[in-house]
Amino acid sequence: EVRLAEFGGGLVQPGGSLRLSCSASGFPFSSNAMHWVRQASGEGLEYVSAISSNGANTYYPDSVKGRFTISRDNSKNTLYLQMNSLTPDDTGVYYCGRGRSSPDYWGQGTLVTVSS
Amino acid sequence: DVVMTQSPLSLPVTLGQPASISCRSSQSLINSDGSTYLHWFQQRPGQSPRRLIYRVSNRDSGVPDRFSGSGSGTDFTLRISRVEAQDVGIYYCMQGTHWPYTFGQGTKLEIE
Repeated sequence: EVRLAEFGGGLVQPGGSLRLSCSASGFPFSSNAMHWVRQASGEGLEYVSAISSNGANTYYPDSVKGRFTISRDNSKNTLYLQMNSLTPDDTGVYYCGRGRSSPDYWGQGTLVTVSS
Repeated sequence: DVVMTQSPLSLPVTLGQPASISCRSSQSLINSDGSTYLHWFQQRPGQSPRRLIYRVSNRDSGVPDRFSGSGSGTDFTLRISRVEAQDVGIYYCMQGTHWPYTFGQGTKLEIE
């Protein structure tokens, strides 16, 4: 069974940093591209980042480029999202997902709150 | 960025009746490899999103055949042949052809 579990969310002050993790099991992690998608409370879905199966290619929208870094450790079946210079606009539930052009499996999400 | 526009944004439906959601993209979603990366997701209240349809018209495993997708180029549709109570939630289209990938605003389906 495919399982994705996000960790690392929490309360952080504006300008602070946070590192999210996504633990994967039930499928060949190293063969799959992975994604981070976020959702502000009561709002829609927004792509945050994506990474190719071997980690060689990463993608970011302008809203997080230069502040967020996606990475993966295929030996640990784990996806990461390093988030720096956080602002209140970054508040929301962060989901990791598996897939090439879209996530076919999603985790349960982890809540990030940026507030003073 | 590619803008995805859904309509309607609110969709009240009677149980057992059909429902249809439109999704239009600001540019063609036909990829250089010939595929069209337009997908549909369902998000039930309090749950993570779930993919229903990938590449326009392919149902994901376990998705009832009441759900179908169609369209091409910039114009796409998700149809539910007979709405059931468990279909309540928000439906999103998403394009995976042009980075950054983008979602529609979401269509809230509710039972009348």
